[in-house]
Amino acid sequence: DAKTTQPNSMESNEEEPVHLPCNHSTISGTDYIHWYRQLPSQGPEYVIHGLTSNVNNRMASLAIAEDRKSSTLILHRATLRDAAVYYCIPPLNYGGSQGNLIFGKGTKLSVKP
Amino acid sequence: NAGVTQTPKFQVLKTGQSMTLQCAQDMNHNSMYWYRQDPGMGLRLIYYSASEGTTDKGEVPNGYNVSRLNKREFSLRLESAAPSQTSVYFCASSRIFTGSNQPQHFGDGTRLSIL
Repeated sequence: DAKTTQPNSMESNEEEPVHLPCNHSTISGTDYIHWYRQLPSQGPEYVIHGLTSNVNNRMASLAIAEDRKSSTLILHRATLRDAAVYYCIPPLNYGGSQGNLIFGKGTKLSVKP
Repeated sequence: NAGVTQTPKFQVLKTGQSMTLQCAQDMNHNSMYWYRQDPGMGLRLIYYSASEGTTDKGEVPNGYNVSRLNKREFSLRLESAAPSQTSVYFCASSRIFTGSNQPQHFGDGTRLSIL
């Protein structure tokens, strides 16, 4: 499995931006980097994925370093509903011959009102 | 806008009982998956169906069987439940099986306790 490093936990205030970092230094190839999140008592939820450049969608933005060895998930204005565990999944942990997503421990994001 | 729907949401079984977990997706996806998640652990793939008419074992298939009933539905069966199968079960789907440009979409899970 590709090794990823994410902070165990982060805190944010409501309506402030949040930058969630991930190091995936062993990344190789030209496959996508994915981010998922899991809210309490819910299933994992796809957030965003990207290849080499910044990506935006309605949920978040993804900034990928030029060497692709790190990425940052950006929530522009955190809400209480964004409190969740966020998982960064590099290509080697994504799919493959069995379609299996390999989730690490992720970053537990707390949002304070 | 249902996405992936799992039933039931909660279930308690006695050891040795059988049960089928149901999963349906309305996104016209070709591939479907069953995972289990134990406390403090990541997801582990039980079985998957890359396309309608095919099923294959994942990482932890022992004690389970699956049926891809049609393109929409993928069920997971426990023939003789054991306490070690107490877990939260998630069904997921993706448009196609291979290719890292294919997000997986998950249901909200079935919380299964076996006494």
